[in-house]
Amino acid sequence: GAVVSQHPSWVICKSGTSVKIECRSLDFQATTMFWYRQFPKQSLMLMATSNEGSKATYEQGVEKDKFLINHASLTLSTLTVTSAHPEDSSFYICSARETLNEKLFFGSGTQLSVL
Amino acid sequence: EDQVTQSPEALRLQEGESSSLNCSYTVSGLRGLFWYRQDPGKGPEFLFTLYSAGEEKEKERLKATLTKKESFLHITAPKPEDSATYLCAVHGDSNYQLIWGAGTKLIIKP
Repeated sequence: GAVVSQHPSWVICKSGTSVKIECRSLDFQATTMFWYRQFPKQSLMLMATSNEGSKATYEQGVEKDKFLINHASLTLSTLTVTSAHPEDSSFYICSARETLNEKLFFGSGTQLSVL
Repeated sequence: EDQVTQSPEALRLQEGESSSLNCSYTVSGLRGLFWYRQDPGKGPEFLFTLYSAGEEKEKERLKATLTKKESFLHITAPKPEDSATYLCAVHGDSNYQLIWGAGTKLIIKP
């Protein structure tokens, strides 16, 4: 099946620093990618929808200046958590929608811990 | 409002003990119902897509069925490696995104 590579798988950073997470579709083109966060024992919560070549659409309550999303190509989207704080610690997951059949494939997730 | 409810929240079974997980949904114009498996610390892994009532799909020990109000994920003679959280999501006409259930945590004891 289609593969979505998410990197890094875990990161620990100091409060106030920025962290970039990459999401790549390895063997298919993805016009649309989604970014989620997931707290322990809770369901996926959509943060934003990223469309190649245009600005991301953020869900209500998600600060676009804090969570910067770039989708510069059909195979790569990045999420940058700017000035991270301990409350940003969470499991971040990306998904990519295959352009041809609209199936959704997920990355393996990034566990962010902000000290 | 589109909504997805999964039950039970958690399910413990002995190896070989068959059972079913439920996903109840309300959505305007179902375009697809999706089942995913998620292991701890990993992203969800795609299992099935169902598009219309009466449709069934199978993969190894798993079988997914769909009615107009709910979907069942039947697991036959499960093994410990089937232990995971199973997530259900729906895509409707009124929403461009998937609406997710909270998941069912399945634990299979040897």
